[in-house]
Amino acid sequence: GQQLNQSPQSMFIQEGEDVSMNCTSSSIFNTWLWYKQDPGEGPVLLIALYKAGELTSNGRLTAQFGITRKDSFLNISASIPSDVGIYFCAGARSGYALNFGKGTSLLVTP
Amino acid sequence: DGGITQSPKYLFRKEGQNVTLSCEQNLNHDAMYWYRQDPGQGLRLIYYSQIVNDFQKGDIAEGYSVSREKKESFPLTVTSAQKNPTAFYLCASSGSGRPEADTQYFGPGTRLTVL
Repeated sequence: GQQLNQSPQSMFIQEGEDVSMNCTSSSIFNTWLWYKQDPGEGPVLLIALYKAGELTSNGRLTAQFGITRKDSFLNISASIPSDVGIYFCAGARSGYALNFGKGTSLLVTP
Repeated sequence: DGGITQSPKYLFRKEGQNVTLSCEQNLNHDAMYWYRQDPGQGLRLIYYSQIVNDFQKGDIAEGYSVSREKKESFPLTVTSAQKNPTAFYLCASSGSGRPEADTQYFGPGTRLTVL
């Protein structure tokens, strides 16, 4: 499958700062998903987006499904130390397997 | 609790031995998937199954085999033909109906080390 372009590759921020990461693709997707993975654990679904233009929040997290259907972004507001981890985007076209980004590694200092 | 379980969490094997990784789900999901994750890389699809008794190869199926005899179970066998089997293996599942069928939920993973 196609690998998505996820950026930035890593971020090192202070507690309380806002974070933004994004994912782009050359293909159109019907679904965009954002996951968080802690070391040695499986990815946990954060937000699922199913419609172009959709903006969805989950606590301090907000994600949007791009209008072109080729991109998505994830924002984290007021970061805290437990936000540390690797964040993955994934795009899906109906009936096909997911395509993943390589992940954004987030480090938060107190 | 509904979810996906993978066992064991850590697995060590000698080179040349086949090994089977377990994946069970009680979410009543139709589709199940196996991924491999290596450091610095994203997830790569090994095999997937959309229905019992049917499965398809993913991007890196060589050296692996699967079966899907029951809806809730999708074991993965790493054979001796797999050249670089040491990795973190993740199982996932997804339900039916659009658009939720595209949303995959992951198990906790099995770290396989071949010595």
